[in-house]
Amino acid sequence: KQEVTQIPAALSVPEGENLVLNCSFTDSAIYNLQWFRQDPGKGLTSLLLIQSSQREQTSGRLNASLDKSSGRSTLYIAASQPGDSATYLCAVNPHTGGFKTIFGAGTRLFVKA
Amino acid sequence: NAGVMQNPRHLVRRRGQEARLRCSPMKGHSHVYWYRQLPEEGLKFMVYLQKENIIDESGMPKERFSAEFPKEGPSILRIQQVVRGDSAAYFCASSPVFEAGANVLTFGAGSRLTVL
Repeated sequence: KQEVTQIPAALSVPEGENLVLNCSFTDSAIYNLQWFRQDPGKGLTSLLLIQSSQREQTSGRLNASLDKSSGRSTLYIAASQPGDSATYLCAVNPHTGGFKTIFGAGTRLFVKA
Repeated sequence: NAGVMQNPRHLVRRRGQEARLRCSPMKGHSHVYWYRQLPEEGLKFMVYLQKENIIDESGMPKERFSAEFPKEGPSILRIQQVVRGDSAAYFCASSPVFEAGANVLTFGAGSRLTVL
């Protein structure tokens, strides 16, 4: 059974810091991995999608890596800003189990001005 | 393109009442997914539907919960005889066509149900 774990559960950093959010999954048989952002009381915004054949994806100050064999992904945020404060969710699309995208519980990030 | 539209955004019900949540997928998307997010937890899959078909409902409680996606109109998640434990955010997502490698979900803003 696929399980997705995100560490840390919460993180508080001063503005300008570079930071790394971690995601691990128990079954490496995935089609892709996606990072989302969720603001309080809002829906999910897709940040980056990494296909299983890819190692990383970049968008602006965000870089996501994928090591499928070890079941790990990281989201790197460069030069953090207060506007980056949100919950970041990692999700995998597994080979087995039907059509269910499996989510981690998220990392709650607070960037202090 | 209005994206995935969910309504109501907020719904308050008393125990024993019924809750109906609606979801209109993105234009051109024929696949709808419902997820539930309990406070301080991640999103849990509930059900996957195509037009007039339930494809996978393995994440949906067997009692009181039902979902449909009719030929015309939005997808509806229905919760009968609500209990306090049903209080959560219910998210709908849609995708154009299920190709496993390209299954990218677009989410709505969610419907937040509070059961008093």
